[in-house]
Amino acid sequence: DAMVIQNPRYQVTQFGKPVTLSCSQTLNHNVMYWYQQKSSQAPKLLFHYYDKDFNNEADTPDNFQSRRPNTSFCFLDIRSPGLGDAAMYLCATSTMDRGGKLFFGSGTQLSVL
Amino acid sequence: AQKITQTQPGMFVQEKEAVTLDCTYDTSDQSYGLFWYKQPSSGEMIFLIYQGSYDEQNATEGRYSLNFQKARKSANLVISASQLGDSAMYFCAMREGILTGGGNKLTFGTGTQLKVEL
Repeated sequence: DAMVIQNPRYQVTQFGKPVTLSCSQTLNHNVMYWYQQKSSQAPKLLFHYYDKDFNNEADTPDNFQSRRPNTSFCFLDIRSPGLGDAAMYLCATSTMDRGGKLFFGSGTQLSVL
Repeated sequence: AQKITQTQPGMFVQEKEAVTLDCTYDTSDQSYGLFWYKQPSSGEMIFLIYQGSYDEQNATEGRYSLNFQKARKSANLVISASQLGDSAMYFCAMREGILTGGGNKLTFGTGTQLKVEL
């Protein structure tokens, strides 16, 4: 009954080689988020979509892009991964309610060699 | 200044005992929300409990309760009757306002690693 699904669970890429992480949801939520979580650190919001409207956090590097072709799917593209981009990437969804909790996927652990 | 502070990097508790995980927050907003999430080693963030700033009663969800002390800006999580399956990382998070363009921005603390022992 997985509601937010992230693929792959583990991703290995080479320094500078573009990589795409995917997220899908069955909740029909109109907001989707991408968080980056480095080892032993708090998750940090990279950007979010409200429907098809893309919203970047001010300190998210240009190296990170995202696409949301429809309500169910959202992709995170890292154009030229560096060693510092190795992290867990968490996708989440929510409604617009002020108390709306975020539903998270299991994450994709990205390694950069 | 950190918005969410979790001062306990690691905690141990005996099975069936209660444990309190500390969380303090900093905000000038009158309307905000506080969340606790559990992150097992599998990586998924699991929602546990929510407290709105205007809620007068402390939130409870099964074995989880949130000890909300607004004047002290603290939102401690209490887990009663700990189970081995409670061993995980626990994150406190705060929502302030609404994100530009919609949605809820959660700012997370650095987490507390809880280990439940026999």
